[in-house]
Amino acid sequence: GIQVEQSPPDLILQEGANSTLRCNFSDSVNNLQWFHQNPWGQLINLFYIPSGTKQNGRLSATTVATERYSLLYISSSQTTDSGVYFCAGYNAGGTSYGKLTFGQGTILTVHP
Amino acid sequence: GAVVSQHPSWVICKSGTSVKIECRSLDFQATTMFWYRQFPKQSLMLMATSNEGSKATYEQGVEKDKFLINHASLTLSTLTVTSAHPEDSSFYICSAETGTTSYEQYFGPGTRLTVT
Repeated sequence: GIQVEQSPPDLILQEGANSTLRCNFSDSVNNLQWFHQNPWGQLINLFYIPSGTKQNGRLSATTVATERYSLLYISSSQTTDSGVYFCAGYNAGGTSYGKLTFGQGTILTVHP
Repeated sequence: GAVVSQHPSWVICKSGTSVKIECRSLDFQATTMFWYRQFPKQSLMLMATSNEGSKATYEQGVEKDKFLINHASLTLSTLTVTSAHPEDSSFYICSAETGTTSYEQYFGPGTRLTVT
């Protein structure tokens, strides 16, 4: 399977600030997803983005597949954005089909 | 759309007993479901891949006789933790792939298992 690295591991912001989270992956991917894990443990799908750019409200994501990285942008952060953000991906070739590999996550804390 | 449920959301059991966790895709058929485990302040680790009507495929280091997986229908997969011990206490999460137009996976809310 692929290797997934996320940065930064921790991020502390004041409400209203913008931030960028990065995900590097070791091989080409057929699936690259961003999640927000809420305090109850539920993984919320943010983006399915193996390539290109998508936007959803204050969040947007860009995956540059040829350079093997993805970025998650959070604008005008709110306290409810706090939590852990994971990226995960896999390459569908060979025996790795469906086997999402998760990064170690970015812990985001937004202060009022 | 693409909702996955899990039951129970939390369970406490005594050492030596078995616990069954259900994972259901509510509004789509999932030929493939996945089971993950997450320890506190850590990332998710894939335990096994569950395909409807066939035996599950376990990741290296996961004991298949301890973590029994059954995928009896296109909307239900179950994970049974047999003879549970305190070290099996963890957060177990399932996911399902819609398998139609993309490889996107959707996750259940998780089950918190505590073995006393």
